[in-house]
Amino acid sequence: AQRVTQPEKLLSVFKGAPVELKCNYSYSGSPELFWYVQYSRQRLQLLLRHISRESIKGFTADLNKGETSFHLKKPFAQEEDSAMYYCAKGPVGPGANSKLTFGKGITLSVRP
Amino acid sequence: EAQVTQNPRYLITVTGKKLTVTCSQNMNHEYMSWYRQDPGLGLRQIYYSMNVEVTDKGDVPEGYKVSRKEKRNFPLILESPSPNQTSLYFCASSPQRGLRDTQYFGPGTRLTVL
Repeated sequence: AQRVTQPEKLLSVFKGAPVELKCNYSYSGSPELFWYVQYSRQRLQLLLRHISRESIKGFTADLNKGETSFHLKKPFAQEEDSAMYYCAKGPVGPGANSKLTFGKGITLSVRP
Repeated sequence: EAQVTQNPRYLITVTGKKLTVTCSQNMNHEYMSWYRQDPGLGLRQIYYSMNVEVTDKGDVPEGYKVSRKEKRNFPLILESPSPNQTSLYFCASSPQRGLRDTQYFGPGTRLTVL
């Protein structure tokens, strides 16, 4: 079964501290990986996807196939980064089914 | 405005009383999906639809039904709700082959089954 593991439920840091939100996935070829974010009282929205290799709001995530990880990082956390973050994995290969698997999520709290 | 809408946003009902949560998108997306969000369990996919008249089970389909008669609508039906279906439900849509593209989420429907 496809799995996405976010080992921590909560990460609390001070403003300006580095942040790393961990995500590991079960190996299955070349996965499609995403990070979604849910700010308080807002709907879930895409933060970034590995295929774009982009940096959004200072966050980056690198796919490490050897470690099957897709950790989300930011060098200096801001209070407005406080939110729930979900790692998600899409299907692999053209014949794969269309299930999207989410991790259990992690709450990031950035204190002033 | 391009968006996914859900109705109702909040619903309190009793065990066994059939209910429908509607989901509509105005972006001409082919892929639509339903999720439930529970504390400690994250987001779990209930059902998804690749296109009109094409639906398939997600990870937790028991107790739910869906239909996709039109491209824009994807209602979630609970024929006989039970308390373990108390949850926050999200609908999402995506352009093509869903999961290689961004999913756009609705605002959520908080359901309480007494």
